[in-house]
Amino acid sequence: DAMVIQNPRYQVTQFGKPVTLSCSQTLNHNVMYWYQQKSSQAPKLLFHYYDKDFNNEADTPDNFQSRRPNTSFCFLDIRSPGLGDAAMYLCATRGYTEAFFGQGTRLTVV
Amino acid sequence: GIQVEQSPPDLILQEGANSTLRCNFSDSVNNLQWFHQNPWGQLINLFYIPSGTKQNGRLSATTVATERYSLLYISSSQTTDSGVYFCAVFYIGDDKIIFGKGTRLHILP
Repeated sequence: DAMVIQNPRYQVTQFGKPVTLSCSQTLNHNVMYWYQQKSSQAPKLLFHYYDKDFNNEADTPDNFQSRRPNTSFCFLDIRSPGLGDAAMYLCATRGYTEAFFGQGTRLTVV
Repeated sequence: GIQVEQSPPDLILQEGANSTLRCNFSDSVNNLQWFHQNPWGQLINLFYIPSGTKQNGRLSATTVATERYSLLYISSSQTTDSGVYFCAVFYIGDDKIIFGKGTRLHILP
């Protein structure tokens, strides 16, 4: 059974048109993460939450925002997507031990 | 911050061969995981192994925390083992998960 679920699996958006990616978890984990992964690169951390505490990486563009309304859900908002934002976006959760990743959302910007 | 280095960056093997992937990290860590990224991009958990040795079928992993490295062994490789293998480390006190750059494995039929 999937424990970290991302929707949609594939998202096509227009240049400059706001887009929201969603992630949900059934593990009741405190920590949730959003990573961006471009082709042939390692996942890059954008931000993470410990419960409601939000932690932004210093090099995450202002164009990226996140919301965590409750333990189970986390959203990634891209306010004005550019061509350079086309990537795989990965959500993950962690409790006291291992981390679990969702299937990812592949974002295309046209 | 902590640095994670994986080697080799690329590995091409014939089906049936064995392989060893290495992960070095620059500081003490509480946790270490190995992932396989499948062709659709999902990161699949292979091992959670902060120390010691674990085995799961044809795969096994060893972490020597005092010497700051971990090894992933794949025996009798199959074409379905192809993909990118990532090592990731994290502290309990620092919630960030830090990835190495991965090893891209190609298994030829």
